[in-house]
Amino acid sequence: NAGVTQTPKFQVLKTGQSMTLQCAQDMNHEYMSWYRQDPGMGLRLIHYSVGAGITDQGEVPNGYNVSRSTTEDFPLRLLSAAPSQTSVYFCASSYGVTNEQFFGPGTRLTVL
Amino acid sequence: AQRVTQPEKLLSVFKGAPVELKCNYSYSGSPELFWYVQYSRQRLQLLLRHISRESIKGFTADLNKGETSFHLKKPFAQEEDSAMYYCALLYNFNKFYFGSGTKLNVKP
Repeated sequence: NAGVTQTPKFQVLKTGQSMTLQCAQDMNHEYMSWYRQDPGMGLRLIHYSVGAGITDQGEVPNGYNVSRSTTEDFPLRLLSAAPSQTSVYFCASSYGVTNEQFFGPGTRLTVL
Repeated sequence: AQRVTQPEKLLSVFKGAPVELKCNYSYSGSPELFWYVQYSRQRLQLLLRHISRESIKGFTADLNKGETSFHLKKPFAQEEDSAMYYCALLYNFNKFYFGSGTKLNVKP
């Protein structure tokens, strides 16, 4: 049981490049979410999903896309990276929205 | 708009002293609140939820709707309690808003 996995752990991009942050869970959780964490701030919700095929925007969705084709996977796409997207990104999953969220180890992204 | 405020960035206490980490929220709906903790080199993890009314590792938190607060308390702090603590609000059924966190440092 691997829990929530994220790849890559670190990534450096140039402005304008695109990339996908991967997130997977093997706990059959319905609710999955993506957060970004910037210094001095809490986690901010980017996008979330309540099940396969269902996604919705969080607090800071601009510049990011998500899809949920399977229960297990919830990738986050940066369409055209900007320096303002330099952050640590966390993926989380839970059985239901009010249940405990299990967090991944994070991806540290730097956009030059 | 919904908001969670944790007024202290850093809280230092001595081992055995009581500790209270403050959390205030703003939300027009019925709040569901959580405390998450991140120990050094570990992942963020749930500490407790107000709907469970539980005590975990000696910590308790009571939802005070009148004062819109959900402070985290422990009567006797331990060195292993040193960590980053985040208060989180579930709003609009499916979205979470996290506070900026309080770093608790328990000194020997």
